[in-house]
Amino acid sequence: DVKVTQSSRYLVKRTGEKVFLECVQDMDHENMFWYRQDPGLGLRLIYFSYDVKMKEKGDIPEGYSVSREKKERFSLILESASTNQTSMYLCASSIMRGQGVEGYTFGSGTRLTVV
Amino acid sequence: DQQVKQNSPSLSVQEGRISILNCDYTNSMFDYFLWYKKYPAEGPTFLISISSIKDKNEDGRFTVFLNKSAKHLSLHIVPSQPGDSAVYFCAASASSNYKLTFGKGTLLTVNP
Repeated sequence: DVKVTQSSRYLVKRTGEKVFLECVQDMDHENMFWYRQDPGLGLRLIYFSYDVKMKEKGDIPEGYSVSREKKERFSLILESASTNQTSMYLCASSIMRGQGVEGYTFGSGTRLTVV
Repeated sequence: DQQVKQNSPSLSVQEGRISILNCDYTNSMFDYFLWYKKYPAEGPTFLISISSIKDKNEDGRFTVFLNKSAKHLSLHIVPSQPGDSAVYFCAASASSNYKLTFGKGTLLTVNP
């Protein structure tokens, strides 16, 4: 089974801190994604990457950046954490479409609280 | 502009009855549809999918129906069990890219 591992389940950070959320997948997937989930808003795409060192903005990239130096690892960076970034953050990976496996595999999520 | 819509934020059903979760989409380029299930404090897990060349796909208690002309799909769970209580997300993608677009989710509560 594909595993997507997020480094922390719960994090509490102070306003203004730089925050790193790490995600690692173990099945050689090309695509990786970062979402946040908020009540009433569903899953919103922050950034995604379809190859090493490649990244594209999703629907809500403001206040975030990402890094993908290795295929298996995709990091989400909050440059200066703010209280409105308190949320559940979900990492996902997927193989390219047309290669037999569809959909995403998600990590367990990181509940980030910014105080 | 929301391309995938789940208009019911919540649904409550009795154990043993049918649960029907609905999803509408607006983008005619979508040709693959998925349902994910999410428990609190966990990541979403894949449940069932359907390609636009089909109008029905079944997997045990779960069946997804697709009506392309109406741009509507639904997930049927029969019989519903208390362990099915979770948030269900509808998602869609187009052949031209690998991104999934998600709906806002429906919270299903199955009462014993």
